Amino acid sequence: QVQLQESGPGLVKPSGTLSLTCAVSGASINRNNWWSWVRQPPGKGLEWIGEIYHTGSTNYNPSLKSRVTISTDKSKIQFSLKLTSVTAADTAVYYCATISPEGYFDYWGQGALVTVSS
Amino acid sequence: EIVMTQSPATLSVSPGERATLSCRASQSVSRNLAWYQQKPGQTPRLLIYGASTRATGIPARFSGSGSGTEFTLTISSLQSEDFAVYYCQQYNNWPPRTFGQGTKVEIK
Repeated sequence: QVQLQESGPGLVKPSGTLSLTCAVSGASINRNNWWSWVRQPPGKGLEWIGEIYHTGSTNYNPSLKSRVTISTDKSKIQFSLKLTSVTAADTAVYYCATISPEGYFDYWGQGALVTVSS
Repeated sequence: EIVMTQSPATLSVSPGERATLSCRASQSVSRNLAWYQQKPGQTPRLLIYGASTRATGIPARFSGSGSGTEFTLTISSLQSEDFAVYYCQQYNNWPPRTFGQGTKVEIK
């Protein structure tokens, strides 16, 4: 059973950088799936941010692409999200999730609320 | 980008009644469509993938149907634990991976 756990600062200042890490247990980071980030602003729906494969290949949401970087740390069995130049609109619960080889999200972390505020 | 549109935004249903939720894709996604359930304060949970295959542990009262651009999630007899928000997601053409905006199933 794959388990995911997000961690990182819960408060980020406007124009700063949001950084989150997702610790993986119960699976190899080399597993045949994409490792992904999804966010959900308060009271709103789900938005896919981007993903990384164990080879290092990445895909990003075009609406965020210029500000997003997703990376893996295989030695620590975790993957990370960096989102630069944040504004209040980036306030959301951020989930890490795995994507099955077919393409649906099969395992989710518990989510981390990140608030952008001075 | 494939746009997913769910209807209705809110569905009011009495316990024990049937609920029918719709999801439409802006272009064909074949049967590469998943449904998720999200209860307040909880993580989304995979219900259905491949348009009609129930995920592990999902009760038989949940069923999915459709292909191409039109999909339906049916809950045959609503239980108290089924009141939640439901999202569809296509995985036929990506990036980006896209979700519908959600349908909230509330108690009538």
